Amino acid sequence: DGGITQSPKYLFRKEGQNVTLSCEQNLNHDAMYWYRQDPGQGLRLIYYSQIVNDFQKGDIAEGYSVSREKKESFPLTVTSAQKNPTAFYLCASSILLRGAANYGYTFGSGTRLTVV
Amino acid sequence: GQQLNQSPQSMFIQEGEDVSMNCTSSSIFNTWLWYKQDPGEGPVLLIALYKAGELTSNGRLTAQFGITRKDSFLNISASIPSDVGIYFCAGGYYGQNFVFGPGTRLSVLP
Repeated sequence: DGGITQSPKYLFRKEGQNVTLSCEQNLNHDAMYWYRQDPGQGLRLIYYSQIVNDFQKGDIAEGYSVSREKKESFPLTVTSAQKNPTAFYLCASSILLRGAANYGYTFGSGTRLTVV
Repeated sequence: GQQLNQSPQSMFIQEGEDVSMNCTSSSIFNTWLWYKQDPGEGPVLLIALYKAGELTSNGRLTAQFGITRKDSFLNISASIPSDVGIYFCAGGYYGQNFVFGPGTRLSVLP
């Protein structure tokens, strides 16, 4: 079955450490996205990528980094520069058809990061 | 960045009741999406709307793309306990990322 997989489901990090969240999709989608969700709040875009080896900052990119070396993979690194990293992180992917109707995003099941 | 407003922010209903929620924007969109998120999981797409005035159903769910292209509505008929969750709307325009609303949190009382 095609889908998008995030791992791990739960992650604990000590203050001052970098940590990388994995996101893999086998949907052959062009675009991938990272969102942050805080309790009782909506989704805020961190980074997105529409093509391999290229990515763009979203609304809250500070303290985060990404790479897109393969179409299927879009890992997110939460660096020690991120002041409040405890949150629920969601990865998504989508088809890109320029000039046509926008297709919806398929989301992974999320990674809950807690800084201890 | 661009923001959507969702109303109500939260709602408590009795099992069997119908539910209505809406999403508004100051900008026009050419696509509206409705997602449901269960606790601790990622959002799942419920309904996608691509044309102003379009009315689309998915089981007990019905969504409409507003005529002004600045709003959308979601109705759930005869609610059941598994309808509990957060419902997000998202608006999209050609070539642009989707913008998500803050969500409506639905609780169903038995």
